[in-house]
Amino acid sequence: QKEVEQDPGPLSVPEGAIVSLNCTYSNSAFQYFMWYRQYSRKGPELLMYTYSSGNKEDGRFTAQVDKSSKYISLFIRDSQPSDSATYLCAMSDRGSTLGRLYFGRGTQLTVWP
Amino acid sequence: DTGVSQDPRHKITKRGQNVTFRCDPISEHNRLYWYRQTLGQGPEFLTYFQNEAQLEKSRLLSDRFSAERPKGSFSTLEIQRTEQGDSAMYLCASSPGGSSYNEQFFGPGTRLTVL
Repeated sequence: QKEVEQDPGPLSVPEGAIVSLNCTYSNSAFQYFMWYRQYSRKGPELLMYTYSSGNKEDGRFTAQVDKSSKYISLFIRDSQPSDSATYLCAMSDRGSTLGRLYFGRGTQLTVWP
Repeated sequence: DTGVSQDPRHKITKRGQNVTFRCDPISEHNRLYWYRQTLGQGPEFLTYFQNEAQLEKSRLLSDRFSAERPKGSFSTLEIQRTEQGDSAMYLCASSPGGSSYNEQFFGPGTRLTVL
């Protein structure tokens, strides 16, 4: 079992829909949680960064962390065709491996007009 | 452009050849990371530098792989005697020190194809 599990999709939604993406993890030491967006053949781009449990909102994006369930989510409101990309969750602990990230395999999202 | 840059963007080589990739981090970021990403998978950690010191190497980094970061600025990743299984996207990321150390900013990657 991988430390971070993420459904690869693909997920296809119409423009304007609310998108829900999620990851589960097994390592209770993870305290930092991130969502990256990756366009085809490009490097990942940091979207959201959350420490410990709770919610964080940035424009159309909301990140949620539930450490008791080892479950994190990313919600995209009013989705746009330009949101079509692969979304990667990533997480890290605070051990000696400072800053090393553990990624999910990514969920491929298509938003059609 | 003040982001992370990588060179080359694409590399095609024959099995058994050596290849070297370069990464230039964001200025004043003292942490630099290398990851490898294969098709349909998320990036996997390879190694990490704080300034010029290489602090950790993943088990994925076999003895055919070597990374350096002289003077704590740019970094190079060399793969010797390439194998077809080395075909992947090699990503470099950098982050600042202090409390923001987990905010890693990625470069565009070097896509390696081993024939």
